[in-house]
Amino acid sequence: TQLLEQSPQFLSIQEGENLTVYCNSSSVFSSLQWYRQEPGEGPVLLVTVVTGGEVKKLKRLTFQFGDARKDSSLHITAAQPGDTGLYLCAGVSPTNRDDKIIFGKGTRLHILP
Amino acid sequence: GAVVSQHPSWVICKSGTSVKIECRSLDFQATTMFWYRQFPKQSLMLMATSNEGSKATYEQGVEKDKFLINHASLTLSTLTVTSAHPEDSSFYICSARWTKSTYEQFFGPGTRLTVL
Repeated sequence: TQLLEQSPQFLSIQEGENLTVYCNSSSVFSSLQWYRQEPGEGPVLLVTVVTGGEVKKLKRLTFQFGDARKDSSLHITAAQPGDTGLYLCAGVSPTNRDDKIIFGKGTRLHILP
Repeated sequence: GAVVSQHPSWVICKSGTSVKIECRSLDFQATTMFWYRQFPKQSLMLMATSNEGSKATYEQGVEKDKFLINHASLTLSTLTVTSAHPEDSSFYICSARWTKSTYEQFFGPGTRLTVL
């Protein structure tokens, strides 16, 4: 069973601080996606990483895919209240015949103004 | 692009009634649609995968007769919660994928179901 472990589960920090959220697994994934979900809404895709060691930037957000394609991280620089939300990582295993995405349990981020 | 809509956004019903939730891909044809359930402050739980024109594939523990899924076209999938009970109250989210060449899914805004 492929599992994605996210850490921390909860994070509350002051506006302007930096933070990193982790998504780890013992399994290899073909790709990993990061989503952000706000209360009462569906998840919104932030980025997809495919290549081991890949780094993608989205404004103040930096996403990295581990060299072995088993883990990923999301780094936010100078966090703002608008970054508050549930961050979900999701991945597809290369052995997945059903095309299902596996979701981590999420990191609930709260940025204090 | 890649917009997915859900209707209704929220619904309140009496125990024993059936509720239908629609999921539409507005600007693309979805080869596959997924239905998720999310409990408060928890992650998404995949309920079923549906491909246009074929029967849905349900996850273990999800009752097929309870949660009826119809994927009649490449832009529409419906989830019907039959004989709903209070324990079925949840946030239901659909997602759509436009091609098998990518695993990216685009999510709808969700439907909040409350069964009294």
